[in-house]
Amino acid sequence: DAGVIQSPRHEVTEMGQEVTLRCKPISGHDYLFWYRQTMMRGLELLIYFNNNVPIDDSGMPEDRFSAKMPNASFSTLKIQPSEPRDSAVYFCASSPPLRDEQFFGPGTRLTVL
Amino acid sequence: GESVGLHLPTLSVQEGDNSIINCAYSNSASDYFIWYKQESGKGPQFIIDIRSNMDKRQGQRVTVLLNKTVKHLSLQIAATQPGDSAVYFCAERFNSGYALNFGKGTSLLVTP
Repeated sequence: DAGVIQSPRHEVTEMGQEVTLRCKPISGHDYLFWYRQTMMRGLELLIYFNNNVPIDDSGMPEDRFSAKMPNASFSTLKIQPSEPRDSAVYFCASSPPLRDEQFFGPGTRLTVL
Repeated sequence: GESVGLHLPTLSVQEGDNSIINCAYSNSASDYFIWYKQESGKGPQFIIDIRSNMDKRQGQRVTVLLNKTVKHLSLQIAATQPGDSAVYFCAERFNSGYALNFGKGTSLLVTP
Protein backbone atom coordinates (compact mmCIF):
# COMPACT_ATOMS: atom_id res chain seq x y z
CA ASP A 1 0.00 0.00 0.00
CA ALA A 2 1.29 3.46 -0.87
CA GLY A 3 0.10 5.04 2.34
CA VAL A 4 -1.59 8.43 2.58
CA ILE A 5 -0.53 10.64 -0.31
CA GLN A 6 -0.40 14.41 -0.06
CA SER A 7 0.39 17.03 -2.66
CA PRO A 8 2.14 19.29 -3.04
CA ARG A 9 4.90 18.51 -0.54
CA HIS A 10 5.94 22.15 -0.44
CA GLU A 11 3.99 25.28 -1.33
CA VAL A 12 5.21 28.84 -1.27
CA THR A 13 2.68 31.53 -2.01
CA GLU A 14 2.04 35.18 -1.44
CA MET A 15 -0.46 36.62 0.99
CA GLY A 16 -3.92 36.85 -0.50
CA GLN A 17 -3.51 33.94 -2.88
CA GLU A 18 -5.68 30.83 -2.83
CA VAL A 19 -4.00 27.62 -1.69
CA THR A 20 -5.33 24.10 -2.27
CA LEU A 21 -3.86 21.11 -0.51
CA ARG A 22 -4.69 17.60 -1.65
CA CYS A 23 -4.94 14.25 0.04
CA LYS A 24 -5.50 10.68 -1.08
CA PRO A 25 -6.28 8.43 1.89
CA ILE A 26 -5.35 4.77 2.13
CA SER A 27 -7.77 2.68 0.12
CA GLY A 28 -10.56 1.22 2.25
CA HIS A 29 -10.18 3.73 5.07
CA ASP A 30 -13.41 5.42 6.05
CA TYR A 31 -12.12 8.28 8.23
CA LEU A 32 -10.05 11.18 6.98
CA PHE A 33 -8.47 13.87 9.15
CA TRP A 34 -6.78 17.20 8.39
CA TYR A 35 -4.23 18.52 10.92
CA ARG A 36 -2.02 21.59 11.11
CA GLN A 37 1.35 21.53 12.86
CA THR A 38 3.27 24.56 14.09
CA MET A 39 6.02 24.96 16.66
CA MET A 40 3.84 27.15 18.83
CA ARG A 41 0.64 25.14 18.80
CA GLY A 42 1.77 21.63 17.95
CA LEU A 43 -0.58 19.30 16.07
CA GLU A 44 -4.11 20.64 15.82
CA LEU A 45 -7.08 18.84 14.32
CA LEU A 46 -8.84 21.02 11.77
CA ILE A 47 -11.62 18.79 10.46
CA TYR A 48 -12.47 15.15 9.94
CA PHE A 49 -14.73 13.16 7.65
CA ASN A 50 -16.46 9.81 7.94
CA ASN A 51 -17.52 8.17 4.68
CA ASN A 52 -16.93 11.48 2.88
CA VAL A 53 -19.19 13.43 5.26
CA PRO A 54 -17.71 16.19 7.46
CA ILE A 55 -18.26 15.22 11.09
CA ASP A 56 -16.46 17.90 13.09
CA ASP A 57 -15.04 21.12 11.68
CA SER A 58 -14.74 22.95 14.99
CA GLY A 59 -10.97 23.13 14.56
CA MET A 60 -11.13 25.08 11.33
CA PRO A 61 -9.65 28.45 12.33
CA GLU A 62 -11.92 30.70 10.31
CA ASP A 63 -14.03 31.03 7.20
CA ARG A 64 -10.97 31.34 5.02
CA PHE A 65 -10.48 27.60 5.49
CA SER A 66 -12.68 25.04 3.78
CA ALA A 67 -12.40 21.30 3.21
CA LYS A 68 -14.15 18.91 0.88
CA MET A 69 -14.21 15.20 0.28
CA PRO A 70 -16.01 14.55 -3.02
CA ASN A 71 -15.27 10.82 -2.94
CA ALA A 72 -13.61 8.16 -0.82
CA SER A 73 -10.22 8.60 -2.44
CA PHE A 74 -9.76 12.36 -2.47
CA SER A 75 -9.97 15.36 -0.17
CA THR A 76 -8.92 18.99 -0.42
CA LEU A 77 -8.16 21.70 2.10
CA LYS A 78 -8.46 25.19 0.70
CA ILE A 79 -7.32 28.49 2.17
CA GLN A 80 -8.67 31.63 0.52
CA PRO A 81 -7.23 34.18 0.97
CA SER A 82 -4.03 32.92 2.55
CA GLU A 83 -2.19 34.87 5.26
CA PRO A 84 1.36 34.59 6.66
CA ARG A 85 0.02 33.13 9.91
CA ASP A 86 -1.28 30.15 7.92
CA SER A 87 2.31 29.03 7.37
CA ALA A 88 2.57 25.53 8.84
CA VAL A 89 2.83 21.87 7.93
CA TYR A 90 -0.55 20.42 7.03
CA PHE A 91 -1.09 16.71 7.51
CA CYS A 92 -3.77 14.43 6.25
CA ALA A 93 -4.45 11.14 8.06
CA SER A 94 -6.85 8.26 7.54
CA SER A 95 -8.25 5.42 9.65
CA PRO A 96 -9.60 2.02 8.60
CA PRO A 97 -13.04 0.80 9.66
CA LEU A 98 -13.33 -0.37 13.27
CA ARG A 99 -9.76 0.71 14.07
CA ASP A 100 -8.62 3.68 16.10
CA GLU A 101 -5.09 4.41 14.89
CA GLN A 102 -4.63 7.13 12.32
CA PHE A 103 -2.12 6.81 9.50
CA PHE A 104 -0.49 10.08 8.54
CA GLY A 105 0.71 11.34 5.20
CA PRO A 106 4.08 13.07 4.71
CA GLY A 107 2.54 16.53 5.04
CA THR A 108 2.52 19.72 2.98
CA ARG A 109 4.80 22.49 4.15
CA LEU A 110 3.03 25.78 3.41
CA THR A 111 4.82 29.10 3.46
CA VAL A 112 2.78 32.26 2.96
CA LEU A 113 4.92 35.32 2.31
CA GLY B 1 -9.72 23.52 28.80
CA GLU B 2 -8.29 20.10 29.51
CA SER B 3 -5.22 19.13 27.56
CA VAL B 4 -2.46 16.62 27.12
CA GLY B 5 0.96 17.73 28.25
CA LEU B 6 4.50 16.38 28.52
CA HIS B 7 6.84 16.49 31.49
CA LEU B 8 10.10 16.84 29.51
CA PRO B 9 10.55 18.58 26.18
CA THR B 10 13.91 16.88 25.45
CA LEU B 11 15.50 13.59 26.45
CA SER B 12 19.04 12.45 25.72
CA VAL B 13 19.98 8.79 26.20
CA GLN B 14 22.90 6.60 25.28
CA GLU B 15 22.55 3.90 22.70
CA GLY B 16 21.56 0.65 24.34
CA ASP B 17 19.92 2.26 27.35
CA ASN B 18 16.22 2.19 28.00
CA SER B 19 14.20 5.36 27.40
CA ILE B 20 11.11 6.53 29.22
CA ILE B 21 8.98 9.32 27.82
CA ASN B 22 6.21 10.67 30.02
CA CYS B 23 2.90 12.30 29.32
CA ALA B 24 0.25 13.78 31.59
CA TYR B 25 -3.38 14.07 30.66
CA SER B 26 -6.18 15.80 32.48
CA ASN B 27 -9.35 14.55 30.85
CA SER B 28 -10.73 11.66 32.89
CA ALA B 29 -13.21 10.93 30.12
CA SER B 30 -10.47 9.93 27.66
CA ASP B 31 -10.82 6.28 26.67
CA TYR B 32 -7.98 5.81 24.23
CA PHE B 33 -4.33 6.85 24.14
CA ILE B 34 -1.74 6.60 21.41
CA TRP B 35 1.95 7.26 20.88
CA TYR B 36 3.41 8.55 17.64
CA LYS B 37 6.98 8.98 16.47
CA GLN B 38 7.84 11.81 14.11
CA GLU B 39 11.15 12.01 12.31
CA SER B 40 12.33 15.23 10.76
CA GLY B 41 10.43 16.05 7.57
CA LYS B 42 8.00 13.18 7.93
CA GLY B 43 4.49 12.62 9.20
CA PRO B 44 3.77 11.06 12.60
CA GLN B 45 4.15 7.30 12.62
CA PHE B 46 2.02 5.07 14.86
CA ILE B 47 3.97 3.28 17.59
CA ILE B 48 1.53 1.80 20.06
CA ASP B 49 -1.85 2.48 21.60
CA ILE B 50 -3.77 1.54 24.73
CA ARG B 51 -7.37 1.68 25.86
CA SER B 52 -8.47 2.98 29.22
CA ASN B 53 -9.49 -0.51 30.40
CA MET B 54 -5.84 -1.59 30.30
CA ASP B 55 -2.81 -0.42 32.27
CA LYS B 56 -0.03 -1.92 30.18
CA ARG B 57 0.55 -2.94 26.61
CA GLN B 58 3.70 -4.23 24.97
CA GLY B 59 4.95 -4.08 21.43
CA GLN B 60 8.27 -4.72 19.81
CA ARG B 61 10.82 -2.99 22.10
CA VAL B 62 8.11 -0.61 23.31
CA THR B 63 5.78 -0.66 26.28
CA VAL B 64 3.03 1.79 27.12
CA LEU B 65 1.90 2.20 30.71
CA LEU B 66 -1.30 3.91 31.73
CA ASN B 67 -1.95 5.09 35.27
CA LYS B 68 -5.48 6.41 35.42
CA THR B 69 -5.22 7.29 39.11
CA VAL B 70 -2.72 10.04 38.42
CA LYS B 71 -3.65 10.51 34.75
CA HIS B 72 -0.21 9.57 33.50
CA LEU B 73 0.96 7.81 30.36
CA SER B 74 4.48 6.65 29.57
CA LEU B 75 6.31 5.11 26.66
CA GLN B 76 9.24 2.85 27.39
CA ILE B 77 11.71 2.00 24.65
CA ALA B 78 14.06 -0.87 25.35
CA ALA B 79 17.66 -0.90 24.09
CA THR B 80 17.34 2.50 22.44
CA GLN B 81 18.92 2.75 19.00
CA PRO B 82 20.07 5.76 16.96
CA GLY B 83 17.08 5.21 14.68
CA ASP B 84 14.82 5.94 17.64
CA SER B 85 15.91 9.59 17.62
CA ALA B 86 12.77 11.56 16.84
CA VAL B 87 9.98 13.59 18.44
CA TYR B 88 7.45 11.49 20.29
CA PHE B 89 3.86 12.58 20.76
CA CYS B 90 1.21 11.24 23.02
CA ALA B 91 -2.43 11.81 22.18
CA GLU B 92 -5.73 11.16 23.89
CA ARG B 93 -9.16 10.61 22.53
CA PHE B 94 -12.11 11.93 24.40
CA ASN B 95 -14.82 9.41 25.07
CA SER B 96 -17.25 8.82 22.17
CA GLY B 97 -15.30 10.90 19.73
CA TYR B 98 -12.75 10.21 17.02
CA ALA B 99 -10.66 13.34 17.38
CA LEU B 100 -7.18 12.98 18.88
CA ASN B 101 -5.80 15.68 21.16
CA PHE B 102 -2.02 15.74 20.79
CA GLY B 103 0.59 16.83 23.30
CA LYS B 104 3.45 19.15 22.37
CA GLY B 105 5.98 16.34 21.93
CA THR B 106 9.26 15.18 23.45
CA SER B 107 12.47 15.16 21.46
CA LEU B 108 14.50 11.97 22.00
CA LEU B 109 18.19 12.10 21.11
CA VAL B 110 20.15 8.86 21.14
CA THR B 111 23.89 9.31 21.45
CA PRO B 112 26.45 6.62 20.56
